[in-house]
Amino acid sequence: KAGVTQTPRYLIKTRGQQVTLSCSPISGHRSVSWYQQTPGQGLQFLFEYFSETQRNKGNFPGRFSGRQFSNSRSEMNVSTLELGDSALYLCASSLMAELNTEAFFGQGTRLTVV
Amino acid sequence: AQSVTQLGSHVSVSEGALVLLRCNYSSSVPPYLFWYVQYPNQGLQLLLKYTTGATLVKGINGFEAEFKKSETSFHLTKPSAHMSDAAEYFCAVNAGGTSYGKLTFGQGTILTVHP
Repeated sequence: KAGVTQTPRYLIKTRGQQVTLSCSPISGHRSVSWYQQTPGQGLQFLFEYFSETQRNKGNFPGRFSGRQFSNSRSEMNVSTLELGDSALYLCASSLMAELNTEAFFGQGTRLTVV
Repeated sequence: AQSVTQLGSHVSVSEGALVLLRCNYSSSVPPYLFWYVQYPNQGLQLLLKYTTGATLVKGINGFEAEFKKSETSFHLTKPSAHMSDAAEYFCAVNAGGTSYGKLTFGQGTILTVHP
């Protein structure tokens, strides 16, 4: 069974540009969450989608957005990139909607903003 | 709001020694607690989780953790460290309610295992 797939694995962008990251969850999983990981701030929750609906959102500016498609695949978009957006972005998928369900993480997309 | 504190950003042990990684949480409601491990350039892998029931939870690779409500702790242990255990470990909490998909993580503890 394939795991959570994130593409691309590495990305270099220039300040002011926008970027779209993709996440394909494990087959059958309907919940997808996104996290930002940086050395200074650690792992921070961005948002969660279930059946194409955003159910939860972290404390990030509006430049960070996401969506989920009918096949549960998810994308996140960051507009007007800043140097501080350089981070590892992790996607996690879960089978059920329950809160105690295990989240399976992808390998992440490492974004570097120059 | 929930929070997680991991005591010690770096822990170093000898191979074969006890591993103890500390985690304290703050939550206004009974939490769901998790330990994840991250190897370099990898995502996170779940070691174990506490939801309800037995407070001593056994996970993969010989790890276990005990939920102590009175101490608001969920420390991770392993009786005998192996070189392959060297990685970064994260404690996380989901506070329930409407916290769908939202895990609050501690700052992580880097475990070094010496031969």
